[in-house]
Amino acid sequence: KAGVTQTPRYLIKTRGQQVTLSCSPISGHRSVSWYQQTPGQGLQFLFEYFSETQRNKGNFPGRFSGRQFSNSRSEMNVSTLELGDSALYLCASSLLPGPKETQYFGPGTRLLVL
Amino acid sequence: SQQGEEDPQALSIQEGENATMNCSYKTSINNLQWYRQNSGRGLVHLILIRSNEREKHSGRLRVTLDTSKKSSSLLITASRAADTASYFCATNSGGSNYKLTFGKGTLLTVNP
Repeated sequence: KAGVTQTPRYLIKTRGQQVTLSCSPISGHRSVSWYQQTPGQGLQFLFEYFSETQRNKGNFPGRFSGRQFSNSRSEMNVSTLELGDSALYLCASSLLPGPKETQYFGPGTRLLVL
Repeated sequence: SQQGEEDPQALSIQEGENATMNCSYKTSINNLQWYRQNSGRGLVHLILIRSNEREKHSGRLRVTLDTSKKSSSLLITASRAADTASYFCATNSGGSNYKLTFGKGTLLTVNP
């Protein structure tokens, strides 16, 4: 079974631009979560989607948004990029949401904002 | 905010030695998970231990959980150079606001 895939793998943007990242979960997985990883803040939860609904959101500004499609694929969007948004963005999928489920992570999208 | 705090931040050992990493957390949990990350890539799930479990094994990995001390440890036995990676603990507090809260990780270097 193919793992979680994320596209693109690398991205360079300039301040003020917007960016859209894509995540395809493991086949059959219906829950998708997004995390941001930076050297200073570590791994931080962004949001979680299940059945096209955002169930949970981390402590990030409204510039960070996401959505999930009916095939469980998910996208996240960051508008008006800032230098501090440079990070590795990781997507994780699980069969269902909830504390008993193991999350499987994709390779990440590395975003550099200049 | 970080829930788990790993200790030490960095660990360097020789191949064949055992490596022990510790994780402390602050609030009650539903389960605790350990992940490995190679050089800024995606996270690989290693093991999940539930709050009512005290010890769990998977191959060369042994995880313990002490909920009274709010701490966990990951032991890697007979380490190999390929074990070189960052190791993170992640806690899950359960409930409807389900999310994983990660520590900052331990960077393990296994020297051949």
